[in-house]
Amino acid sequence: SFELTQPPSVSVSPGQTASITCSGDKLGNKYACWYQQKPGQSPVLVIYQDSKRPSGIPERFSGSNSGNTATLTISGTQAMDEADYYCQAWDSSSWVFGGGTKLTVL
Amino acid sequence: QVQLQESGPGLVKPSETLSLTCTVSGASISSYYWNWIRQPAGKGLEWIGRIYTSGSTDYNPSLKSRVTMSVDTSKNQFSLNLSSVTAADTAVYYCARDETGISLDYWGQGTLVTVSS
Repeated sequence: SFELTQPPSVSVSPGQTASITCSGDKLGNKYACWYQQKPGQSPVLVIYQDSKRPSGIPERFSGSNSGNTATLTISGTQAMDEADYYCQAWDSSSWVFGGGTKLTVL
Repeated sequence: QVQLQESGPGLVKPSETLSLTCTVSGASISSYYWNWIRQPAGKGLEWIGRIYTSGSTDYNPSLKSRVTMSVDTSKNQFSLNLSSVTAADTAVYYCARDETGISLDYWGQGTLVTVSS
């Protein structure tokens, strides 16, 4: 079955760029999306169709997807970006989530 | 603004059926897929399945034998039944709108369901 693999944790200093990867077999042939989830809250869509931002999502969030890896990039990371991030893709009539990455801003 | 609200029992006994309903407001339920996702405490997101307003469904293969979804367009609601529950089914259950295979763009606030006797 199709699986998406994310690093469990990523750390970044405030103002720097954070990159979170999501790996899956031929993921670049599918659309990837990304969700941000803060403690006690529902997930929020931050990137869809690999690189598009929903209305209200800051420009510092961007995405790419090629080969076997999708990447969420947060430029000029702020303390408010500290959260869990999940990638997702559609495969064989199922939504598949990555295991999630805890982004720490320190 | 589209809003989704989950409702149902917060406590279910082992071997019984978990039943939840999601009420959609601010938009018609028609012409979208509607999903259920769950998240055990401290763990990641698990997709349970989705239903289209026609009644067509897709289910997570690992849960398919225990899952049934339905939709009531007259009430702008859709529902989840998960049978033969065990403690492993204890989780926060979310409902979400599916932008036709592109993303899940609107989510409910989630409801905690505990399986315990």
